[in-house]
Amino acid sequence: SQQGEEDPQALSIQEGENATMNCSYKTSINNLQWYRQNSGRGLVHLILIRSNEREKHSGRLRVTLDTSKKSSSLLITASRAADTASYFCATDAGYSGGGADGLTFGKGTHLIIQP
Amino acid sequence: ETGVTQSPTHLIKTRGQQVTLRCSSQSGHNTVSWYQQALGQGPQFIFQYYREEENGRGNFPPRFSGLQFPNYSSELNVNALELDDSALYLCASSLFNGMNTEAFFGQGTRLTVV
Repeated sequence: SQQGEEDPQALSIQEGENATMNCSYKTSINNLQWYRQNSGRGLVHLILIRSNEREKHSGRLRVTLDTSKKSSSLLITASRAADTASYFCATDAGYSGGGADGLTFGKGTHLIIQP
Repeated sequence: ETGVTQSPTHLIKTRGQQVTLRCSSQSGHNTVSWYQQALGQGPQFIFQYYREEENGRGNFPPRFSGLQFPNYSSELNVNALELDDSALYLCASSLFNGMNTEAFFGQGTRLTVV
């Protein structure tokens, strides 16, 4: 089953605008990671935020984490055509009785940047 | 470039056959995980290897098995292939140093079962 849910499922904006994607999850986590995927290829790691952090920045990316609401957001500022891709959040719950839980992904947000 | 390489990039197999997919981890990483991504879905965790032993598994049947070698490269084996096994298979490597760190993915192997 997929724990994370990204919202919206699809987003189309003009180049230069900001894009915001949200992610909700169900169980407690150790960290949350955001990934980008172009056309069904491999996942590109964007940023990791730990459960004791509330906000992180990396270049044009800003990620927030609210563990009380079990939600995260990814903001891409000054969007470019090359940002067109699917974006996934992945939660890492660590280890349960059965061992490592791996990363749990949502279905992703498909972002289209129109020139 | 993540330093994680997978082979082959594409593969076509017949239902009932067996397949082996390979992954070379990023230098310095000691953990490798495998994921299955069906079309239009997010990746699903298959299993994880740490120090050559499976230390976590998702909801996949035993016909999905794996190996991790001393150089931290890894294999995913799938027996008795079914049509629903058609998917993108992703390998991720990471460093466990008391806590999980960033997981870096390879470009994936696209498996088609006919």
